[in-house]
Amino acid sequence: QSALTQPASVSGSPGQSITISCTGTSSDVGVYNYVSWYQQHPGKAPKLMIYDVTNRPSGVSNRFSGSKSGNTASLTISGLQAEDEADYYCSSKRSSTVVFGGGTKLTVL
Amino acid sequence: EVQLVQSGAEVKKPGESLKISCKGSGYTFTKYWIGWVRQIPGKGLELMGIIYPGDSDTRYSPSFQGQVTISADKSINTAYLQWNSLKASDSAMYYCARPPFDNGWYWFDPWGQGTLVTVSS
Repeated sequence: QSALTQPASVSGSPGQSITISCTGTSSDVGVYNYVSWYQQHPGKAPKLMIYDVTNRPSGVSNRFSGSKSGNTASLTISGLQAEDEADYYCSSKRSSTVVFGGGTKLTVL
Repeated sequence: EVQLVQSGAEVKKPGESLKISCKGSGYTFTKYWIGWVRQIPGKGLELMGIIYPGDSDTRYSPSFQGQVTISADKSINTAYLQWNSLKASDSAMYYCARPPFDNGWYWFDPWGQGTLVTVSS
């Protein structure tokens, strides 16, 4: 069982918006702003999409945005595109380590 | 361009030892942490530990403390992940990854291409 809880799957049609949740505890998501989101396509290494809850690394589309409320962080993808179909993982600092969610498979219908 | 290049896939028997590598290029190797992340096929990501090659400060996640050894050779810009006695449950993809900033280690990008380790009798 993963440290952070994500839905196993979400889906949406091209052009729509979807949100993926990531629920932690007051020992990780709730207390640190070191929440990140990663995108992983099949057979590829993960790619950082959001860091420090809301920040996008250079080169990441502004269709990706992050937020946090209490112990739950969220990743929103607007204007869904076929290339967004992938697995998405959240992570958070927890004490002296980083913990990840179990991953969410995004299907673009 | 910042790159992390990992050693190739390995097939080992239970009880054997193994050391895989991750070579950094395109940046000052001693100024950024490097982490090792395990991904069991079809499963999620787990941070095993991190090392700061500048002074070899090494930190292990609780689940991996005592199970593996992380090291680095800054003379050749290479980090390592080592097992003394492999188990079938160590079969997984292993990634090395570097933080995008030199002031912490709570996020990772870029990542290496991964090293697939298969442990089977």
